[in-house]
Amino acid sequence: QKEVEQNSGPLSVPEGAIASLNCTYSDRGSQSFFWYRQYSGKSPELIMFIYSNGDKEDGRFTAQLNKASQYVSLLIRDSQPSDSATYLCAARMDSSYKLIFGSGTRLLVRP
Amino acid sequence: GAVVSQHPSWVICKSGTSVKIECRSLDFQATTMFWYRQFPKQSLMLMATSNEGSKATYEQGVEKDKFLINHASLTLSTLTVTSAHPEDSSFYICSARDMLYEQYFGPGTRLTVT
Repeated sequence: QKEVEQNSGPLSVPEGAIASLNCTYSDRGSQSFFWYRQYSGKSPELIMFIYSNGDKEDGRFTAQLNKASQYVSLLIRDSQPSDSATYLCAARMDSSYKLIFGSGTRLLVRP
Repeated sequence: GAVVSQHPSWVICKSGTSVKIECRSLDFQATTMFWYRQFPKQSLMLMATSNEGSKATYEQGVEKDKFLINHASLTLSTLTVTSAHPEDSSFYICSARDMLYEQYFGPGTRLTVT
């Protein structure tokens, strides 16, 4: 059973703080990892993807991957109330291109 | 950027009827499209993978005779929910994969079966 695990939250942080979202995966064959943001009633929108160990930064967002620990994280710096949403972690085996989603972590950024 | 549309955005139908949902890639050719279902407060569950010109591949537990998928062109895939029941009420989302193997999601279709 290929699984992607996330804490459902909610994770509550004050505006301006760093939000840290975590994800673990069970299938060592997973090669690429994606973070999506989903607002209520909307479809997911891609924030970042990462496939190499280490950190990848894009604006206020940093994705971190540790394949040895099978762990992926997303850091959001200077969190804004508009960042309040559910964040979905997804793993992909590049042989099939199917995305396996975690259950999502709900983030609340308090003004 | 790559844009995927879905139609309709929401639909209400009576139990026992069939509903067709369209997924279109507007500015790129998609050899592969994926169909997901999402129940309230749950994650996206992949239902099937649709390849242009061939039969869809369904995930375990998804009834292929109930959820008919047709991928007749490089820009259009359809999902038909046959003999819909209230438990089929859900948010159906498609995604399309471009030539660089990135997936782009459509805006979703909310189906309510009464």
